[in-house]
Amino acid sequence: DTGVSQDPRHKITKRGQNVTFRCDPISEHNRLYWYRQTLGQGPEFLTYFQNEAQLEKSRLLSDRFSAERPKGSFSTLEIQRTEQGDSAMYLCASSKTLGAGVYTGELFFGEGSRLTVL
Amino acid sequence: AQSVTQLDSQVPVFEEAPVELRCNYSSSVSVYLFWYVQYPNQGLQLLLKYLSGSTLVESINGFEAEFNKSQTSFHLRKPSVHISDTAEYFCAASNAGGTSYGKLTFGQGTILTVHP
Repeated sequence: DTGVSQDPRHKITKRGQNVTFRCDPISEHNRLYWYRQTLGQGPEFLTYFQNEAQLEKSRLLSDRFSAERPKGSFSTLEIQRTEQGDSAMYLCASSKTLGAGVYTGELFFGEGSRLTVL
Repeated sequence: AQSVTQLDSQVPVFEEAPVELRCNYSSSVSVYLFWYVQYPNQGLQLLLKYLSGSTLVESINGFEAEFNKSQTSFHLRKPSVHISDTAEYFCAASNAGGTSYGKLTFGQGTILTVHP
C-alpha cells in the first residue's frame, strides 16, 4: 500500500495556461475525491467518482475545470485558462465502500498538488 | 446546507497541559463527524470519527471527542499533550446515510502548537 499519490506536487503557471493534475488512489479504493484548499481555509469539496462514474460536482467546479477517471483507476483534474483565483492546493483522496450501507468513514488523502498562477 | 465552525484558529499550549479544540456544526440532517490532522509536510490523516453508537470516541494517541447533538458540537480533547501533537487539526462533517458520504464539509482548521 503506497498511499494516494499526486503529481506534480508543485506547479507554477501563467494566467491563461492550462494545467493538469494526476491522482493515483490506493489500488483497491473505488471512490476518488478532489478537494481544493486555499491558505487559511479547510479543504472544499470539488467532485467525486465511484469507479469511473463522476457522481457529484460542486458549484465550485466551473466549466474551466474538468475531472476524469478513465477505467476507474487514476484520475486527472484539468484547469483550462487558469486565473489567479485558481491558486490553491488541490487534494485528492480515496476510500473504499464495503457494500450497501457499510461505510468506514475514512478518506485517505494525498499530499496535494500546489498550483500557483502568476 | 451544512457548515462546520472551528472556533479557534490557533491554540498554543505547553507540553503535558490539557487541550481542547472546539468544533460546532450546523446541519438540517443527521451527520457523521470527523477530526483530521495534518502534520507538517504531510497529507491529512483521520484522527477519529463518530458515525453512530457511543458519543465518546477515542484515537489511538490519546485524543477523544464527544458528539453533543443538543449543542451541535464535536470538541476534541487531550488530557496531556506532547510536542509531537503539534499540527493543524480539521473538524469535518458529512451527511449520515445516502451515498455521498465522502463529501466532507471542513472547518477552517486549528493550528495546535505545543511548546516545551
